[in-house]
Amino acid sequence: GESVGLHLPTLSVQEGDNSIINCAYSNSASDYFIWYKQESGKGPQFIIDIRSNMDKRQGQRVTVLLNKTVKHLSLQIAATQPGDSAVYFCAENIPHYGGATNKLIFGTGTLLAVQP
Amino acid sequence: SQTIHQWPATLVQPVGSPLSLECTVEGTSNPNLYWYRQAAGRGLQLLFYSVGIGQISSEVPQNLSASRPQDRQFILSSKKLLLSDSGFYLCAWSHRADNQPQHFGDGTRLSIL
Repeated sequence: GESVGLHLPTLSVQEGDNSIINCAYSNSASDYFIWYKQESGKGPQFIIDIRSNMDKRQGQRVTVLLNKTVKHLSLQIAATQPGDSAVYFCAENIPHYGGATNKLIFGTGTLLAVQP
Repeated sequence: SQTIHQWPATLVQPVGSPLSLECTVEGTSNPNLYWYRQAAGRGLQLLFYSVGIGQISSEVPQNLSASRPQDRQFILSSKKLLLSDSGFYLCAWSHRADNQPQHFGDGTRLSIL
């Protein structure tokens, strides 16, 4: 079946440290991956994405790494701030063969708690 | 820029009552539209998606239905709510092209009593 899982349900880091959130995916046909941040009571917010023809992509303070050999995705947050505290979801995009849309399969999320 | 609106933000309904949740998107045309449900402390479960007016695909059998009467309007409905319909409902949109992120509204917290 299709599944996306996270290794650590809760990650606690000190303010200023770097954070690494990990995600495993199981569908080798997945061609696109997204990280979302969800604050309490709000909808998920797009952070960064990466296509399967890349192994690294950088944004502002965030880096996503993709290892297709072991089907692993990670999100690195540099100099973590209190405002980074949230639940982080990875999602894999499975091509909808013959269809007009793609499906996102979400992991269960990792809670990032930033300690001042 | 594109925006997505969901309402109401919270809703408390008795068992057996009907439901209508609305979602509208602004600033884009012909989007794909999605309804998700999120249980507490869990990931997102795709309920419905739509690639055009009147075109609805259901992902899981359930007590809910969806409709898309206009290009940028997506409605989630039920004729009779069950206790198990409680949850956090999220609407999302994406561009039609492949490998596009979905963008979410702020959700509706639905409690069934």
